[in-house]
Amino acid sequence: GQSLEQPSEVTAVEGAIVQINCTYQTSGFYGLSWYQQHDGGAPTFLSYNGLDGLEETGRFSSFLSRSDSYGYLLLQELQMKDSASYFCAWVSLEDDKIIFGKGTRLHILP
Amino acid sequence: GAVVSQHPSWVICKSGTSVKIECRSLDFQATTMFWYRQFPKQSLMLMATSNEGSKATYEQGVEKDKFLINHASLTLSTLTVTSAHPEDSSFYICSAEYRQGVFQPQHFGDGTRLSIL
Repeated sequence: GQSLEQPSEVTAVEGAIVQINCTYQTSGFYGLSWYQQHDGGAPTFLSYNGLDGLEETGRFSSFLSRSDSYGYLLLQELQMKDSASYFCAWVSLEDDKIIFGKGTRLHILP
Repeated sequence: GAVVSQHPSWVICKSGTSVKIECRSLDFQATTMFWYRQFPKQSLMLMATSNEGSKATYEQGVEKDKFLINHASLTLSTLTVTSAHPEDSSFYICSAEYRQGVFQPQHFGDGTRLSIL
């Protein structure tokens, strides 16, 4: 099966940059996605890596290295509204199943 | 605006009641819908995959007779929690997609918070 590990909590200061790492054990044909979830809300898609390398979308970037079974989400110019949980997710390219990591709670300090 | 509508958003009911949750794709035909469950401060756990017109595929450990899934049309899937008990209290979320062969992010509903007394 698939397992994804990420830190349970990260704290950063408003305006700063933070990186959330994700290591995984998996098999099959896959990509890696990142989702944001505010308390009580649904997950919101942030980014997807189908290939190794960096994907940039505004203030958010995501990186994947298949050889290292490692990825990260980089958030720049942090804002208070970025306080949320962030999940890395394994995406099967065979049947589109998503397996979520345990999530990282991001705390932003003013 | 929302492309996946989930209803109801919040349910409180007595133990032993069956509860039906609807998931609708609003402006696209969903070839596949997924159902997740999330306990407080935990991750989303995939319960089942639902393809229109066929039986749902359940993940290991999910009781088929407890969580009935019906995907009768390309825009509607329902999850029925039968004879619900307090341990079934959770946040249930659906997602929908139209499979195109290239990656497209799934669209998530806003979730249903189920509380069983």
